[in-house]
Amino acid sequence: AQSVTQPDIHITVSEGASLELRCNYSYGATPYLFWYVQSPGQGLQLLLKYFSGDTLVQGIKGFEAEFKRSQSSFNLRKPSVHWSDAAEYVCAVGAGNQFYFGTGTSLTVIP
Amino acid sequence: KAGVTQTPRYLIKTRGQQVTLSCSPISGHRSVSWYQQTPGQGLQFLFEYFSETQRNKGNFPGRFSGRQFSNSRSEMNVSTLELGDSALYLCASSLSGNGYNEQFFGPGTRLTVL
Repeated sequence: AQSVTQPDIHITVSEGASLELRCNYSYGATPYLFWYVQSPGQGLQLLLKYFSGDTLVQGIKGFEAEFKRSQSSFNLRKPSVHWSDAAEYVCAVGAGNQFYFGTGTSLTVIP
Repeated sequence: KAGVTQTPRYLIKTRGQQVTLSCSPISGHRSVSWYQQTPGQGLQFLFEYFSETQRNKGNFPGRFSGRQFSNSRSEMNVSTLELGDSALYLCASSLSGNGYNEQFFGPGTRLTVL
């Protein structure tokens, strides 16, 4: 069965530090992969997506993610975190005509 | 293009009541999905509608139902509300609902059951 795992429930980083959020998926075929960001009480906004081709994808707000088929991972990265990046980050897999979401990673940014 | 809109944004109900939530997708999008989001549980898939037909359904009791109209607008109904139904209900629309069409989310309806 398809599933998405985000092993880190909560991460705290200092402003200006680098960030990596982990996402692992289980799916038999090549998945369509997404990262969303959610501010408190709001819906999800798409940060980036991977369909095929270059395994390193660039997104909005300076985020990037790398697809590693051998590790079934799609980790999100940012070289320098800003205080405004504090939010919930959700990884998702599109498979067939359904989407599967991770439980999210909450990011706190310390000034 | 206007985004996905959901009404109302906030609702307070008591146990046993029923509630109807509304979702207007992005113009041209034919697929509408509903999710329940609670702390620690992430997004739980409720159902997906495409061209007025329920195409997929998650593992929720029959108290949760939905429908889609010819203009792609969708409603979700929850009958006999329970305390555990308190959550943020998110609606998402996409062109076709296929996995390669990203979903666009509305701001959600915050339901509180007292």
